[in-house]
Amino acid sequence: QVNLVQSGAEVKKPGASMKVSCKASGYTFTNHGISWVRQAPGQGLEWLGWINAHSGYTTYSQKFQDRVTMTTDPSTSTAYLELRSLRSDDTAVYHCARDGGDYEDFWGQGTLVAVSS
Amino acid sequence: EIVLSQSPDTLSLSPGDRATLSCRASQSVSANYLAWYQRKPGQAPRLLIYGASSRATDIPDRFTGSGSGTDFTLTITRLEPEDFAVYYCHQYDRSPKTFGQGTKVEIK
Repeated sequence: QVNLVQSGAEVKKPGASMKVSCKASGYTFTNHGISWVRQAPGQGLEWLGWINAHSGYTTYSQKFQDRVTMTTDPSTSTAYLELRSLRSDDTAVYHCARDGGDYEDFWGQGTLVAVSS
Repeated sequence: EIVLSQSPDTLSLSPGDRATLSCRASQSVSANYLAWYQRKPGQAPRLLIYGASSRATDIPDRFTGSGSGTDFTLTITRLEPEDFAVYYCHQYDRSPKTFGQGTKVEIK
């Protein structure tokens, strides 16, 4: 069965960077893209962007364009999300999700990233 | 970007009731690129519906998606105890992909 296991919670200082991993299993990793979606406390779901796990081609939300980098390592079936210059309003649960055909069909459990001085 | 507005914010219903959830888009969603997710506390979102009306794998037939253009509906016939959760609509037609703010279906 499809499974996406994410790295553990992180606490970061404002201005720092975060890097969350998402290890996939149960399918051929390079046949599907990976999206990253976050949910801040009391807020809705927000899409950060998408990466083609085979080619590495990315599409980022314009809101995060200058602060985000998404990468993959096909040798370990792992996707990574890096977000730089963190602010307090970046505090959120970050999810990876498999692209099942433009829509996200299977999601990771989420990684809490707290940004606090 | 396409803004999705869900209504109502909260639905208070009893097991066995019918739930009707609405999702309205600020622009037409092409090819019905609209999905619905269920989310329970501490769990990852679960895909229910894609393409506005196609049920995802292993989703019970009491969940039905309908609509086109700017108006979409998720109907849950005969609510089961495990259906009480938050439901989100999601458009994947245009970048950035966007989500509605969610409708909470709670036990009355």
